[in-house]
This record gives sequence, structure tokens and C-alpha cells, in this order.
Amino acid sequence: GENVEQHPSTLSVQEGDSAVIKCTYSDSASNYFPWYKQELGKRPQLIIDIRSNVGEKKDQRIAVTLNKTAKHFSLHITETQPEDSAVYFCAARPLRPNTGNQFYFGTGTSLTVIP
Amino acid sequence: NAGVTQTPKFRVLKTGQSMTLLCAQDMNHEYMYWYRQDPGMGLRLIHYSVGEGTTAKGEVPDGYNVSRLKKQNFLLGLESAAPSQTSVYFCASSRNLAGGLGDTQYFGPGTRLTVL
Repeated sequence: GENVEQHPSTLSVQEGDSAVIKCTYSDSASNYFPWYKQELGKRPQLIIDIRSNVGEKKDQRIAVTLNKTAKHFSLHITETQPEDSAVYFCAARPLRPNTGNQFYFGTGTSLTVIP
Repeated sequence: NAGVTQTPKFRVLKTGQSMTLLCAQDMNHEYMYWYRQDPGMGLRLIHYSVGEGTTAKGEVPDGYNVSRLKKQNFLLGLESAAPSQTSVYFCASSRNLAGGLGDTQYFGPGTRLTVL
């Protein structure tokens, strides 16, 4: 099955700096890559996603890049703010028949933005 | 539109007790999922369902059973709880993949379960 690795597990940045979180995946059938943000005690919420026919996607201060050849994708947060502090999860979805849109999650990155 | 809801929010069980967690969604989604979240291990899929009356095993199904009698509900059962099942449980739902749409999974608020 799919194996998703995520690094780093913890990340501290100064407010206003950029943060980068990297994930690798193993299954070449994966074609959808969402990123979730989870604040303490809350549910994971989708912040951005990318499909395999796109190399980069941006939404205000958040961007995701995908390198299909190398099987890795990254989340970039620019001009970080204290409210960006949370745990971020990447995921990969192999597109296979009758597998119910299964996601395989990374182990998470705890981001702390220091004011 | 409440999205995905879960009951209860918290529960404490003794070893060997049983319980059922309820997930409900009002988005008319075909697919539903149960995950467990443990520190440092991300979200791991327990069971999932691609439609009413169907269920399938995920990555960590042992010790759990599920049922999807109605499209909007997905139940997770623990027949004989063990301390190793102490975790936060999340339900999620998504549309089916017809035409390549409906990829996103939407999560419920979670149930924190402690087994003593």
C-alpha cells in the first residue's frame, strides 16, 4: 500500500518568516494530495490540495508544489502569523478501483510561530 | 447544514466494556470513514464504507466493527475495549469519485476515548 513520510515532525519559525513542510509518497497511482491543518483539540481541516496534473498551486500565503517524478510534495507558508501555529498533515490518495477514495496520511508536523 | 457530527465527544470505558460511536453527515456523501489518531502516528484508517450496506477494512481494523445501515450514518463499535484503544476517533465523509470529482474528505469533531 501507499506509504507517506512527512518531515520535519516539529518546526519553529519567527513570525513573518516562511515555513516549509515536505512529504514523500511511494505509490505511483496516487494522484491527489491534500493538506490538512489541525488546531489543538479540533478536527483536521483542508487548507489546500493539488492534483497530479498540476505542479504548483497557490492560495494567498499558502502554496503546494508537487514533483511526480521524485514522488514528493511540499507545503509552503509565507509571512507566517501566530494563528498558523497548528499541526499540519499531508496525505496521498491512490486512484484505484473499488478502494473508496482512501487517504494515506503523514505523521504530522507541529508548527509553532513565535511572535 | 451541520456537516459531519460525532457522538459522544468524550467517553471513559473500563477494559472489556463495549460501546458504539455514531457518525452522521448531512452532505449526502457516499463514502464514510473511521480513523484513529494517536500521538506521533497521524491518522490511521480503521474501516470505511463506499455506500449504504457496505463496509471494508482499513489499515488498523482489529478490535473494531462497523455498520452503515443508513447512508447518512456510520457506526463504529468496540465489543471488548482494551487500553490500546485509547485514542481520538475521527469520522470523515466524501463524495464518490465519479468524473474525478469529490476528492476531499471532511472530518467530524472527534471523540476522545479513554479505556482504563
